[in-house]
Amino acid sequence: NAGVTQTPKFRVLKTGQSMTLLCAQDMNHEYMYWYRQDPGMGLRLIHYSVGEGTTAKGEVPDGYNVSRLKKQNFLLGLESAAPSQTSVYFCASMRPGQGVYGYTFGSGTRLTVV
Amino acid sequence: AQSVTQPDIHITVSEGASLELRCNYSYGATPYLFWYVQSPGQGLQLLLKYFSGDTLVQGIKGFEAEFKRSQSSFNLRKPSVHWSDAAEYFCAVGAATGANNLFFGTGTRLTVIP
Repeated sequence: NAGVTQTPKFRVLKTGQSMTLLCAQDMNHEYMYWYRQDPGMGLRLIHYSVGEGTTAKGEVPDGYNVSRLKKQNFLLGLESAAPSQTSVYFCASMRPGQGVYGYTFGSGTRLTVV
Repeated sequence: AQSVTQPDIHITVSEGASLELRCNYSYGATPYLFWYVQSPGQGLQLLLKYFSGDTLVQGIKGFEAEFKRSQSSFNLRKPSVHWSDAAEYFCAVGAATGANNLFFGTGTRLTVIP
């Protein structure tokens, strides 16, 4: 099925561990985004990419790194996980020219840092 | 600076009753406005969007929203709520240019009672 796939769906990390969240889309979208969702905070943009090989910081980028080596994949890395990074992470993609209404969201990754 | 305010954290309505969820925005340019719905454990689904033209927009699942520029509001309505509408609802604002980042409100959780 076409869409945005996030892996893993759930993960528990210990403080200080590292991990990478993978977002893959098969719609040939140029733009991709990583958001985090916290209770009472809504969704906040972490990083985004407007094309292969390019990334930019969003609203809450500290503690995260990203890479867009291939157009269809957008990776979110946590080098040294902290309890404050416990959250649900959503990836989204969009094709420019559609306007903002072209967002397609993944189903999320629930991360717990203990 | 851009921001979205959803003043109601939690709303409870009876099945069959009407619903209105409030959304106010602050945006430096012409806003593109959206309502998304999120069922428990799921990703976000687009309900409706407004770009220009008719200020009353229709969406999926019988929802509608009215854009009022003078009040910087984009309230979501439904004439008769169904039990399956219980979910969290997010208002968002974005731009038509640049990286098209979306800014979300903190969400309103809807509970539907029989």
